Amino acid sequence: GAVVSQHPSWVICKSGTSVKIECRSLDFQATTMFWYRQFPKQSLMLMATSNEGSKATYEQGVEKDKFLINHASLTLSTLTVTSAHPEDSSFYICSARDTGGRNEQYFGPGTRLTVT
Amino acid sequence: AQSVTQPDIHITVSEGASLELRCNYSYGATPYLFWYVQSPGQGLQLLLKYFSGDTLVQGIKGFEAEFKRSQSSFNLRKPSVHWSDAAEYFCAVGASQAGTALIFGKGTTLSVSS
Repeated sequence: GAVVSQHPSWVICKSGTSVKIECRSLDFQATTMFWYRQFPKQSLMLMATSNEGSKATYEQGVEKDKFLINHASLTLSTLTVTSAHPEDSSFYICSARDTGGRNEQYFGPGTRLTVT
Repeated sequence: AQSVTQPDIHITVSEGASLELRCNYSYGATPYLFWYVQSPGQGLQLLLKYFSGDTLVQGIKGFEAEFKRSQSSFNLRKPSVHWSDAAEYFCAVGASQAGTALIFGKGTTLSVSS
């Protein structure tokens, strides 16, 4: 089956620093990747849609200058949390849509971000 | 508005008992429907999905779900629950066209008692 990896799986950073999270489709090409955020014991909320070679589309209320998304290749999208604050602590999950498939998304294992 | 409703926040069932988790959706286009399971601190695992055809779909781990268009529902069922089924379950809906994200319900926490 299709596999999506995320790196790192867990990161702790200090307030004010930036953190980059990678999302890779390992055995398929993904022109579209999605970034979700999940607070403890809550559902997944879509943050942005990442399209290869173009600017990401952000959901209402998500600061694009704070959550920088780059989708430079068909297998890699990155989310950079800039000037992180404790309220950015969350579980970030990416998904990748198989270009050759029917809107089937494959989810990564998630990245736990803790900002101290 | 597009939405997914999972009416039950928390359900407890006895091991060996049957399970039904409810999911209702509101979606303007033809829906693709999914059920995912998430263990604490882990990512999502796809249990099953419905795109078209037979409205009763079989998934992994003995789960099944039935799509009822008239009721806008996609309830998940399992005839006999195992202790390892304790987890968070999410229902999600997506569009049939390309490039759209999924909309998730708030999830149902399943506890299994012995």
